[in-house]
Amino acid sequence: DGGITQSPKYLFRKEGQNVTLSCEQNLNHDAMYWYRQDPGQGLRLIYYSQIVNDFQKGDIAEGYSVSREKKESFPLTVTSAQKNPTAFYLCASSVWGSVNTEAFFGQGTRLTVV
Amino acid sequence: KQEVTQIPAALSVPEGENLVLNCSFTDSAIYNLQWFRQDPGKGLTSLLLIQSSQREQTSGRLNASLDKSSGRSTLYIAASQPGDSATYLCAVTINQGGKLIFGQGTELSVKP
Repeated sequence: DGGITQSPKYLFRKEGQNVTLSCEQNLNHDAMYWYRQDPGQGLRLIYYSQIVNDFQKGDIAEGYSVSREKKESFPLTVTSAQKNPTAFYLCASSVWGSVNTEAFFGQGTRLTVV
Repeated sequence: KQEVTQIPAALSVPEGENLVLNCSFTDSAIYNLQWFRQDPGKGLTSLLLIQSSQREQTSGRLNASLDKSSGRSTLYIAASQPGDSATYLCAVTINQGGKLIFGQGTELSVKP
C-alpha cells in the first residue's frame, strides 16, 4: 500500500534527552513536511523539504532538527533545546509545484516528556 | 500574514441533518484549499482539494465550495451520520509548494 509511515506511535522523552521521530513515504513525492499539533490548536509547520539534501525552517523550528538524505525519508529530531516538546507530531508529503498539490499525512507520533 | 479561521469550534447535530462548516482566510492569494478529517489520536485524511481556479468540489455526501474574493470556503455534509463524527480542518496553500496553513478545526458530533 502506498502511503506515509510514522514511527513510533507513542514516544516518551526524559528531560534533556534528544529523540528522533521517523517518517517514511513510498508515494514518490518530492516534498515532505513536519507539523506539530497541540490540543485545541491547528497544525503548525516545523520544517519542510522540497528535495533531497535540502530543507527549510517552518514557523516553529527552534529546538528541532531534520535531515533529508533519501527521497523516502525525513526524520525529525526533537532536541533538548525544545522546552515544551509534548505534542502530537504529524508528517506529510506532497508533489511540489502542482496546482493539485494534495498533501497526505501519516498517522502521527505522540511525544510525551516524563 | 495568512490566517485561517474555522467557525464554529464545535458542532453537535442529530443524525440525518444537513450541515455546513465554515472556513475563512485573510489573503485571497491562495494556490488551493484542502479539507481534512481527523479522528481522535489519528492523522489527517484528505477529503477534498479545491484549486484556486475552481468554485467547488464534490465527493459523495460532501461538497466544498470556494469563494476566493471573499476569503471563504464551506464544507457541506448531507444526511449526516454518526460515523461523520470527527474534527474537520481546512488548510490553504499559499505557493507552489505544499506548505499548508491550517485553521483550528471544527469538532463535529453526530448523535444517533
